[in-house]
Amino acid sequence: GAGVSQTPSNKVTEKGKYVELRCDPISGHTALYWYRQSLGQGPEFLIYFQGTGAADDSGLPNDRFFAVRPEGSVSTLKIQRTERGDSAVYLCASSRDREETQYFGPGTRLLVL
Amino acid sequence: DQQVKQNSPSLSVQEGRISILNCDYTNSMFDYFLWYKKYPAEGPTFLISISSIKDKNEDGRFTVFLNKSAKHLSLHIVPSQPGDSAVYFCAVLYNTDKLIFGTGTRLQVFP
Repeated sequence: GAGVSQTPSNKVTEKGKYVELRCDPISGHTALYWYRQSLGQGPEFLIYFQGTGAADDSGLPNDRFFAVRPEGSVSTLKIQRTERGDSAVYLCASSRDREETQYFGPGTRLLVL
Repeated sequence: DQQVKQNSPSLSVQEGRISILNCDYTNSMFDYFLWYKKYPAEGPTFLISISSIKDKNEDGRFTVFLNKSAKHLSLHIVPSQPGDSAVYFCAVLYNTDKLIFGTGTRLQVFP
């Protein structure tokens, strides 16, 4: 079946702009995760959804970052007033349920100029 | 305060030989460990995992060893193949939901 998909694959924006990154999880997966990978680092956890609700948002760096999953499937990560330090690859993963194997999408490469 | 450490940023191995990738962790409460493999421009792909109740798990050419007393795990690939060339991330499952990753080791398998 289809894997996790993310759009756009690349996004270039200017400092101060607003961006939205989309994630389509594997069909039927109830758990969805966002991670951020900076150059030379491993992915870092941002937020975890179980169904429609954010069960753990402890990894969001500040209040410029927000994520939603209104119908328990597609999720959108929203970044307000982007800064150059937000430049990274944003990865989405899904799993059948909590504690199950997480399957990752290809990521969105965000560059803030 | 890196909780999961991969101290070797790169490793080069000849085709057919064994590749050994190492990982150390700091928290003795961690109880589930995973290895992911990542090709350029793709997301990480799950490879193999191990629970703290075991000290070894094998899947084909891949074996993960866990030494709880040393807080150390390793991934063995034998025999190594050119298609194994990728970045390998060690990770722990924390709080049963989030993964904490190491910084990765780039493996290059040459003919």
